[in-house]
Amino acid sequence: KAGVTQTPRYLIKTRGQQVTLSCSPISGHRSVSWYQQTPGQGLQFLFEYFSETQRNKGNFPGRFSGRQFSNSRSEMNVSTLELGDSALYLCASSQGGRQHGYTFGSGTRLTVV
Amino acid sequence: QKEVEQNSGPLSVPEGAIASLNCTYSDRGSQSFFWYRQYSGKSPELIMFIYSNGDKEDGRFTAQLNKASQYVSLLIRDSQPSDSATYLCAVTVGADGLTFGKGTHLIIQP
Repeated sequence: KAGVTQTPRYLIKTRGQQVTLSCSPISGHRSVSWYQQTPGQGLQFLFEYFSETQRNKGNFPGRFSGRQFSNSRSEMNVSTLELGDSALYLCASSQGGRQHGYTFGSGTRLTVV
Repeated sequence: QKEVEQNSGPLSVPEGAIASLNCTYSDRGSQSFFWYRQYSGKSPELIMFIYSNGDKEDGRFTAQLNKASQYVSLLIRDSQPSDSATYLCAVTVGADGLTFGKGTHLIIQP
């Protein structure tokens, strides 16, 4: 059974640009969550989608957005990139019940220069 | 403000001993509790989850939850060098996503 797939693995962008990250969840998983991981702040919740609807959102500015498609694949977009957006972005999928945990993908390492 | 606190370590444990990792959380409404292991340069890997008071065992790992005291712990028996990693505690509250602690860096000394 394939795991959570994130593309691309690495990205280098310039300040002011925008970026789109992609996540394919485990087959059958309908919930997709996104997290940002930095050395200073650790892992922080961005948002969660379930059946194409955003179920909840973390404390991030509106430059961070996402969506989920009918096949459960999800994309995350960051507009007007700032240096502080440099981080590992992790996608996690779940069958839908939070009590059973989330499986993480390998992440996308974003560097903003 | 939901907070999850962990001692950052490093926690150094001899091979074969029991490693004890602790986590406290601030929100009494927290419902589910997770332990993830993260090797350097890798993504977090789910080790255990627990949502009822008491102990839950899975192989060499035991998770312990005490909701009255708002702490959750992870015991690793017969520690191996391959257990050396950062261990992340996470909780969920209601419909919110996972709230993570910053992790404890565990070193198993051969």
